[in-house]
Order: sequence, then C-alpha cells, then structure tokens
Amino acid sequence: AQSVTQPDIHITVSEGASLELRCNYSYGATPYLFWYVQSPGQGLQLLLKYFSGDTLVQGIKGFEAEFKRSQSSFNLRKPSVHWSDAAEYFCAVTGGGNKLTFGTGTQLKVEL
Amino acid sequence: DAGVIQSPRHEVTEMGQEVTLRCKPISGHNSLFWYRQTMMRGLELLIYFNNNVPIDDSGMPEDRFSAKMPNASFSTLKIQPSEPRDSAVYFCASSGTAYGYTFGSGTRLTVV
Repeated sequence: AQSVTQPDIHITVSEGASLELRCNYSYGATPYLFWYVQSPGQGLQLLLKYFSGDTLVQGIKGFEAEFKRSQSSFNLRKPSVHWSDAAEYFCAVTGGGNKLTFGTGTQLKVEL
Repeated sequence: DAGVIQSPRHEVTEMGQEVTLRCKPISGHNSLFWYRQTMMRGLELLIYFNNNVPIDDSGMPEDRFSAKMPNASFSTLKIQPSEPRDSAVYFCASSGTAYGYTFGSGTRLTVV
C-alpha cells in the first residue's frame, strides 16, 4: 500500500530564510508525487507535481521539489520564504488510478 | 473556470438531523473525491467516483454516510443521522486525466 510520511509537524523559519519541507513516500513502483498548500479556511492548492523526467520540478509561488528515488523522498524547497507562505503543506502520492494518499501535513510559521 | 464549487460553506446542525453536502466538479473532470479533514485524523478519503460510478467507498465511516453522483456535474454527501463526532471540514475534489486534484473550498460542518 502507498503511504507518505512528513516527519515535521511544525516548522518555523524567518522571513527571507530558505525552507525545506521533508516528505518520504512508500510505493513499490514509480510514484506520482505532489505537494499541496492549505491556507487557513481554504481548500488545498496544488504547488507542483512529479510524474517522470527531470527529478527537479518547479512549481508555483517560487517552490521547487526534488525526487530522489534512492531515498524515497520528495522534499519541497524555497530559497527565500515570504510571510505569506505561512500555511500547512501536504505531500501526496499515487501509483496511478487517481487515488491520492496524503501525508499528515507540516505547519509552516514565518517569523518577521 | 469557477473551480470546484461546494455548498454550503458552513453548516451547523443538531445531532440526529440529516445533513447534505453538495459539490459541483470542474467540467470535463471524470473523477470526484470526498475527503474529511479533522485535527485528529488529518485528511481522510471517504469515497471517490470515476465517470459517476463509485469506485472505492472503503473510507466511508459507517452506514450513516452515503454519497451519490447522479451526473457528471453534481455530487452529494449525506449524513443521516448526524452526530457530534462528524464535525469536520468536508472537501470535494475533482481530477481529469493529468492527475493532481483541484479542491473545493470545503464545507465546515458543526454538529451540536
């Protein structure tokens, strides 16, 4: 069965600092991987996705993620965080069939 | 495109009452998903449909919950009778062929 682990429940960074949110997945074949962001009171918005090809994918809002098969990871990064990035971030995986499995989320706080 | 539309945004009801949540997916998307989000359990997939047909309802907590998709542009999630432990945010999402869901803004249900 597919699964996703986000080991950090909360992360606090200073505005302008770099950010990396961790995501590890479990799936027997090549996964399809996603990062979503949820602002308070809102639904989830797709930041980026990986299907195949270049293992470094670019997303919206200046985010990027790198797929590392050897580490079963798909970490999300941003070189310089803005206060508006404070939100909850979810990693998700599917092996096809369109059924996504989500991680438990990482709550990002940005200090001004 | 108006995105995935859910109604109502907020619902407060008394225990024992019937609750119906509604969702209009993005036109042309052939998959629709219902999720429940709580602090304790995170995002849980309740049920999903492909081409209006229920594919996996293993996440539906019990017989009090039912979901229908009578056509490609409308789905309902019904809880009868409702209980306080059903209080949560319920999200609908739809997906086309490129994977990655588009989420609605959710319905915040409070059962008192």
